[in-house]
Amino acid sequence: GAVVSQHPSRVICKSGTSVKIECRSLDFQATTMFWYRQFPKQSLMLMATSNEGSKATYEQGVEKDKFLINHASLTLSTLTVTSAHPEDSSFYICSARDRGGSNQPQHFGDGTRLSIL
Amino acid sequence: AQTVTQSQPEMSVQEAETVTLSCTYDTSENNYYLFWYKQPPSRQMILVIRQEAYKQQNATENRFSVNFQKAAKSFSLKISDSQLGDTAMYFCAFLGTNAGKSTFGDGTTLTVKP
Repeated sequence: GAVVSQHPSRVICKSGTSVKIECRSLDFQATTMFWYRQFPKQSLMLMATSNEGSKATYEQGVEKDKFLINHASLTLSTLTVTSAHPEDSSFYICSARDRGGSNQPQHFGDGTRLSIL
Repeated sequence: AQTVTQSQPEMSVQEAETVTLSCTYDTSENNYYLFWYKQPPSRQMILVIRQEAYKQQNATENRFSVNFQKAAKSFSLKISDSQLGDTAMYFCAFLGTNAGKSTFGDGTTLTVKP
């Protein structure tokens, strides 16, 4: 089955630090990857859609200068939380869709728990 | 815009019994795809089952089956012979043929009791 690897799984760092999260599709090519934020017992909140070779599309209310997304290849997208503050603490999940067709389901990484002290 | 509604925030079921989670959606599209995802306490999102709107036959995956009512825009998930490992948050998702992103419901937290 399709596997998405997300790394790191947990980050604890000081306020003001920038944190990079990687999302890799291991056995398929993904032209599109998605970045979500999830608060406890709540649904996924889409932050941005990452397109290989072009700029990411951000959802309304998401600061693009705060959450930098790079999708440099068909198997890798990165999310960088710049100058992180305690309010950025959350669970971040990436997902990817196989380029094989628009009917493909999204495959999810295991998520990254970010804690800003 | 599409919307997905899961009207049951929390549900519980006894082990070995059957439970049905509801999901309704709103769309003007005729062709689309529906999914149920499971998120256990480990937080990993796992695809449980998928349904293509053009197929009349309800999808089935072992103990998991759906009741897809296209006219009513309803897509419920039935879990038979519930197991403790089924305890998780379940999300219903809609994917249009022209949209690049899925729309998720708010989720239903299911607890299977021994």
